[in-house]
Amino acid sequence: QQQVKQSPQSLIVQKGGISIINCAYENTAFDYFPWYQQFPGKGPALLIAIRPDVSEKKEGRFTISFNKSAKQFSLHIMDSQPGDSATYFCAARLNTDKLIFGTGTRLQVFP
Amino acid sequence: GAVVSQHPSWVICKSGTSVKIECRSLDFQATTMFWYRQFPKQSLMLMATSNEGSKATYEQGVEKDKFLINHASLTLSTLTVTSAHPEDSSFYICSAPGTGGAKLFFGSGTQLSVL
Repeated sequence: QQQVKQSPQSLIVQKGGISIINCAYENTAFDYFPWYQQFPGKGPALLIAIRPDVSEKKEGRFTISFNKSAKQFSLHIMDSQPGDSATYFCAARLNTDKLIFGTGTRLQVFP
Repeated sequence: GAVVSQHPSWVICKSGTSVKIECRSLDFQATTMFWYRQFPKQSLMLMATSNEGSKATYEQGVEKDKFLINHASLTLSTLTVTSAHPEDSSFYICSAPGTGGAKLFFGSGTQLSVL
């Protein structure tokens, strides 16, 4: 019940296209849903996050859509750029600050 | 945002030796820090929660005698991999919640290679 399922495992997008990564969870006790971007050999960096009382949050080219009833949330990267090529992790937080990570999506953006 | 410094970035050691990894919160205090382990092309798996001034809380399946955690101050947590073996080779990452606890900030990670 503490799992966060993430898909797809890998994603190839052309420059300028939209990248969409999906996550689903079961535990309704999760209270915070961040997305992290990780480059090879580096620690994850917080990209954008949302709380379950909000259905959408946008920051620049990055948007989180949150469907509380379906227990699903997704990351949309608009106008994808080669520099966005990285591994993306969704996560869900329990009230103890403990984060449960999704399995990751490797995004490749080709020019 | 808050900065979490992790050192060293990479370490190579012989089998049977111990390795210490440091995690510091540079511009904020962290009563709690988290240690994760990541295998190549896999997700981050929480190993333990480090608590300042008290014992760490380990996740199921993590050997507390092998992965020693010390959180002696509000800005420093250390992870010591004791009697390291090749199967301990992995990417270890620490993290700490920023002020208010809403955001979790990560260190840059330590790549451990045990020969």
